[in-house]
Amino acid sequence: AQTVTQSQPEMSVQEAETVTLSCTYDTSESDYYLFWYKQPPSRQMILVIRQEAYKQQNATENRFSVNFQKAAKSFSLKISDSQLGDAAMYFCAYTYSGAGSYQLTFGKGTKLSVIP
Amino acid sequence: ETGVTQTPRHLVMGMTNKKSLKCEQHLGHNAMYWYKQSAKKPLELMFVYNFKEQTENNSVPSRFSPECPNSSHLFLHLHTLQPEDSALYLCASSSPASGRGSNTQYFGPGTRLTVL
Repeated sequence: AQTVTQSQPEMSVQEAETVTLSCTYDTSESDYYLFWYKQPPSRQMILVIRQEAYKQQNATENRFSVNFQKAAKSFSLKISDSQLGDAAMYFCAYTYSGAGSYQLTFGKGTKLSVIP
Repeated sequence: ETGVTQTPRHLVMGMTNKKSLKCEQHLGHNAMYWYKQSAKKPLELMFVYNFKEQTENNSVPSRFSPECPNSSHLFLHLHTLQPEDSALYLCASSSPASGRGSNTQYFGPGTRLTVL
């Protein structure tokens, strides 16, 4: 069974600084997707970034980038130039990319606070 | 973010009431999901529908009854709930049959349910 572990229940960052959130996962599959979702106090679960396991290049979306280490099964999220609006719960998630696969496995989340 | 909408946003009900949650997606997806998010627990997948057919039911109690009349609409009918069913209920959609990159799930804003 796949598992996703986020070892940092809470983190904080100074506004305009950079922060890295950690995620590790366990799977026996070679083709899968990894995601970071953001859930602000409004409770809407928003997709931040997606990584396909067969792509070696790390995904980037504006101020958000990932460090994907497939052999180590590590998938960290880096937020650059942190803004007050980045304060939220961040969830790492995994899904197998095979046919008929629907299960998204989530970690327990990391609560990020941004200090003005 | 209006691709996936949910109503109502908040619901308070007694243990003997019957109510329904509604989800609608405007993304042209063919799969829809119900998740339960309780405090300090990872998101729990409840049900999956693909092309209106239920493909997964993760041992959810029968007091939760899903209905998917078409690929754009998903309901969760609730009856004789327990206080421990109080949680945030999230709906999501995706298109797993549409090739690479399509396993990405997009979420609605959720319904905050309180059972008295």
